[in-house]
Amino acid sequence: QVQLQESGPGLVKPSQTLSLTCAVSGDSISSGVYYWSWIRQHPGKGLEWIGYIYYSGSTYYNPSLKSRLIISADTSKNLFSLKLSSVSAADTAVYYCAREGAVTTAPDAFDIWGQGTVVTVSS
Amino acid sequence: IQMTQSPSSVSASVGDRVTITCRASQDISSWLAWYQQKPGKAPKLLIYAASSLQSGVPSRFSGSGSGTDFTLTISTLQPEDFATYFCQQTKSFPRTFGQGTKVEIK
Repeated sequence: QVQLQESGPGLVKPSQTLSLTCAVSGDSISSGVYYWSWIRQHPGKGLEWIGYIYYSGSTYYNPSLKSRLIISADTSKNLFSLKLSSVSAADTAVYYCAREGAVTTAPDAFDIWGQGTVVTVSS
Repeated sequence: IQMTQSPSSVSASVGDRVTITCRASQDISSWLAWYQQKPGKAPKLLIYAASSLQSGVPSRFSGSGSGTDFTLTISTLQPEDFATYFCQQTKSFPRTFGQGTKVEIK
């Protein structure tokens, strides 16, 4: 079955860059069927969509994060990554990767999620 | 697009019928999904396209609505249904979620 697994440092210092990777198994990020997305959840709060990358390499970022954000993919390793620069305590959250249907044959929603990884921004 | 859920929490008993409402700040047609989240876990997709049941999700969950007003109904609440529920619009980017509705044990 399809699985997504986030990995990366759990602690990042303020002003530094947060880097996370999502490894995909059971599906190919090059298939063109899905957007490969990042979503975060602040402690005790709701969900915030961060952005996606598509198989073509095209990306779309949340305008609130766009100036600090890069999402990239490594198709040879079937994974995609997030880099968020100049972090502050406001970036402390659980970060999830997820896939979202991009064509009519797939549900237009986040149908598969990673387990999430906790990132704390603190000195 | 802003998504607003009500109520923010609801207390209910096993066997009850529970209804959660989601309102979009503009017309999103049927571009709406519902998720269930339990503590310490990732959200789980329940409904997409406003009323389509995701594979493997029990039929006691149903969704309805279009335009700006949507509803998630749990017909007969089961012990495993106590969780937080989120709606999300899939009409446009950036994707946005409701603030969540917590279903608690009465």
